[in-house]
Amino acid sequence: RKEVEQDPGPFNVPEGATVAFNCTYSNSASQSFFWYRQDCRKEPKLLMSVYSSGNEDGRFTAQLNRASQYISLLIRDSKLSDSATYLCVVTNTGNQFYFGTGTSLTVIP
Amino acid sequence: DVKVTQSSRYLVKRTGEKVFLECVQDMDHENMFWYRQDPGLGLRLIYFSYDVKMKEKGDIPEGYSVSREKKERFSLILESASTNQTSMYLCASSLTLAGLSYEQYFGPGTRLTVT
Repeated sequence: RKEVEQDPGPFNVPEGATVAFNCTYSNSASQSFFWYRQDCRKEPKLLMSVYSSGNEDGRFTAQLNRASQYISLLIRDSKLSDSATYLCVVTNTGNQFYFGTGTSLTVIP
Repeated sequence: DVKVTQSSRYLVKRTGEKVFLECVQDMDHENMFWYRQDPGLGLRLIYFSYDVKMKEKGDIPEGYSVSREKKERFSLILESASTNQTSMYLCASSLTLAGLSYEQYFGPGTRLTVT
């Protein structure tokens, strides 16, 4: 079983829409959780860390559900510039990072 | 700002050549990582290092070796390049405090083509 699983999409949404991505992880002892954004042919960049209480950064909201072992990312009022691949990342106690294969988002004018 | 740099953005090598990919970070991070990324397969960990002269195999270490002689530098070596090592190679670094891993910072990647 994969450490981290994501729906690859693609998600094609109109500008202004709200879109949500989910990601499940298999190790209940996982410690840290992140969402990264990767633009085509570029490196992944941190979008936001995910905290147990949930956290928000502008139009982006991340949540963690430890009981069900999933994290989510909600994007409100989608912009064309949000088009990218979103990677879910989980760490364990051994300093290893486990990446999902990414969810592709295209925001359509 | 954390900066992770990689020695080349694009590299073309011939089958059988020895290839060195260099990565340098400027934030005194103890952890450094090498990944390769291929379409449909996502990021796959080749090797990582949590201290100078220490290294750990990742998921796909075959055909690769690494060197970490200084804290800021982590090198990936392809001993004898093969066409199936054509890929995007990404280096990353991260900090660990009190046993908790903080986010990884990535270099811009090296797109290696082996002909």
